[in-house]
Amino acid sequence: GAVVSQHPSWVICKSGTSVKIECRSLDFQATTMFWYRQFPKQSLMLMATSNEGSKATYEQGVEKDKFLINHASLTLSTLTVTSAHPEDSSFYICSAPRRELATQYFGPGTRLTVL
Amino acid sequence: AQSVTQLGSHVSVSEGALVLLRCNYSSSVPPYLFWYVQYPNQGLQLLLKYTSAATLVKGINGFEAEFKKSETSFHLTKPSAHMSDAAEYFCAVSESGFGNEKLTFGTGTRLTIIP
Repeated sequence: GAVVSQHPSWVICKSGTSVKIECRSLDFQATTMFWYRQFPKQSLMLMATSNEGSKATYEQGVEKDKFLINHASLTLSTLTVTSAHPEDSSFYICSAPRRELATQYFGPGTRLTVL
Repeated sequence: AQSVTQLGSHVSVSEGALVLLRCNYSSSVPPYLFWYVQYPNQGLQLLLKYTSAATLVKGINGFEAEFKKSETSFHLTKPSAHMSDAAEYFCAVSESGFGNEKLTFGTGTRLTIIP
C-alpha cells in the first residue's frame, strides 16, 4: 500500500486564491521531504526541500514567498501556493526518504488547476 | 552538477518484444542511479537503483539495468514486454544511494506496448 499520501489529489481554484497541499508519510517518520513540480508531458523539477523544524531550502528560481512550505511534524509537510495564477497549474508531487530502507517514496501527486 | 539524459521521448514495442530504454548520466562524483515508473495521474514507483554494489541491477516487474561506466550509461531493459508496462519511465541521479538526497530526473520516456 501507499506509504506517502497527498491531499487533495486534485484541486481547482480561482486566480488569486491560495491552495494548501499536504504530504504525509504514513508509517514512518521523515525529517526531510521533497516537493517536485511536473508540467504536462515533462519531467519532475525539484522545487524545494522541506526540513522538519527548520526552514525549507528552495531551488534556484523558485519563489519562496509564493510557494510556502511548512514541515511542522515528522510525518507532515505542506506546500501552500499563494496568490495562485494560471501558470501555477501543474502536477505537484512530494517524496519522503525512508532512511532505513535507503529509498525515497513518492506521493500520488496533486493536480492543481488555476482558472 | 549531475544530470541524466534519456534518449527517446517515446518508445513503442510489441507485446513480448524486448524493451530498451536509454539513459546516460553526467556526474563529477560516483553516481547513484535510479529508474522510476509513473502511471497516468500517479506518483512515481521505484523500479531499481544502482548504488555501486553490482553493475547489473535487477528490479521489480522483470526490469533490469546495467551500469556501464565507460559508456556513462544506465539503460533499462526487460526481455519481454507486457501490456501493463505501458507507462512513463524516468531515469534519475543523486549523489548518494541512501535515498535521502534530492533526485535529478531525466525528461522521461513514454513506453507504448503494441498488442
